[in-house]
Amino acid sequence: ETGVTQTPRHLVMGMTNKKSLKCEQHLGHNAMYWYKQSAKKPLELMFVYNFKEQTENNSVPSRFSPECPNSSHLFLHLHTLQPEDSALYLCASSQELGIGGNTIYFGEGSWLTVV
Amino acid sequence: GIQVEQSPPDLILQEGANSTLRCNFSDSVNNLQWFHQNPWGQLINLFYIPSGTKQNGRLSATTVATERYSLLYISSSQTTDSGVYFCAVGGGSQGNLIFGKGTKLSVKP
Repeated sequence: ETGVTQTPRHLVMGMTNKKSLKCEQHLGHNAMYWYKQSAKKPLELMFVYNFKEQTENNSVPSRFSPECPNSSHLFLHLHTLQPEDSALYLCASSQELGIGGNTIYFGEGSWLTVV
Repeated sequence: GIQVEQSPPDLILQEGANSTLRCNFSDSVNNLQWFHQNPWGQLINLFYIPSGTKQNGRLSATTVATERYSLLYISSSQTTDSGVYFCAVGGGSQGNLIFGKGTKLSVKP
């Protein structure tokens, strides 16, 4: 148990569906992240939020829409995805933005399959 | 950007054996972490080690920042050590931790 909780753990959706991934951290951290892990690829940073404000969008397609209503919650809204978007989506948090000196903690991940 | 290379890509061990995993990085870093990803996908922090040596039970890690590499030692391996080990580094003020491709470890009983 890392203090970062993701739901759902598994999601199967059609290309025309709209769904959301949820992340909640109980660590009192100020920075939250979405990462994508595809088969045979390194983890890719998607979005970074600091004190609810988005500070980084790593050229992610607009069919992925993040939302951070407060420092403890992070959502990833999904719509009109493609089969190649099937992957493990990992949420993470750290005390401060600025990775130097900060340990980053990951949730258990959400396995997404687009059919 | 910073490049991270891990070796070996795959490693098969008999239970009880020792192993060393390596992480090379291409530039100065102010953050280096080792993670273990279990078969269910969760990434667990093992060490935060931008420099120096740390030990935690059967695991230890050493980072030689001046030579841009880090080593993760696993002693007396157990089947529960199986999974993928990732090295991740950060070099600036942004929240961008760069991950290597990982070392997939399989420990056989």
